[in-house]
Amino acid sequence: IGVTQSPATLSLSPGESATLSCRANESSGNYLAWYQQKPGQVPSLLIFDTSSRATGVPSRFRGSGSGADFTLTISRLQPEDFAVYYCLQRTKWPPLTFGGGTKLEIK
Amino acid sequence: QFHLVESGGNVVQPGKSLRLSCAASGFPFKSFAMHWVRQAPGKGLEWLAVISYDGSKKYYADSVKGRFTISRDNSRNTLFLEMNSLRPDDTAVYHCAKDSGVWELLPTYWGQGTRVTVTT
Repeated sequence: IGVTQSPATLSLSPGESATLSCRANESSGNYLAWYQQKPGQVPSLLIFDTSSRATGVPSRFRGSGSGADFTLTISRLQPEDFAVYYCLQRTKWPPLTFGGGTKLEIK
Repeated sequence: QFHLVESGGNVVQPGKSLRLSCAASGFPFKSFAMHWVRQAPGKGLEWLAVISYDGSKKYYADSVKGRFTISRDNSRNTLFLEMNSLRPDDTAVYHCAKDSGVWELLPTYWGQGTRVTVTT
């Protein structure tokens, strides 16, 4: 399954809300995960199975969607939220497929 | 706390081989599937391979199938990636990652990575 993320770059200010999209080229079931990668760091798991937050992830991160369309919503952006976000589908494998990423930058 | 440390990265010529290692600690290594994922300079993430907790199942991305081999030694808590016929587009930081379970296919914790550069 191919996975496309949009937009490639999102420019917002702290306190605003961000909406990131991940679209599969066929139904991806609910096995969709989101990762956050801050500059110079390795990716960390945020959301798995579409909407379940990983341990320690703040409630302002919310995953939603179904079928082929998924969304990561980040409410009340904090300075530490500006990073690159990747989605990963693990419904039809191999391979596991990452999206190309969305860079969330400070406006 | 989970701890994954990759090693073995180097600068090599096209066509050569390299063996990466990933030393695991802080969790029962033999109870978790493990992955290799790479990130080319300035690029996104690419999943490469997964191995089951006992080594009986292995799957690869098409880009490395037939050239790379994933393996593990549970007695040494170590994961390996044997890379043959290396190409310039294999240049990347290679990360090992712990799965969320015996076979969940969800990378949850990543090592810092080891850098592989393939160049003439």
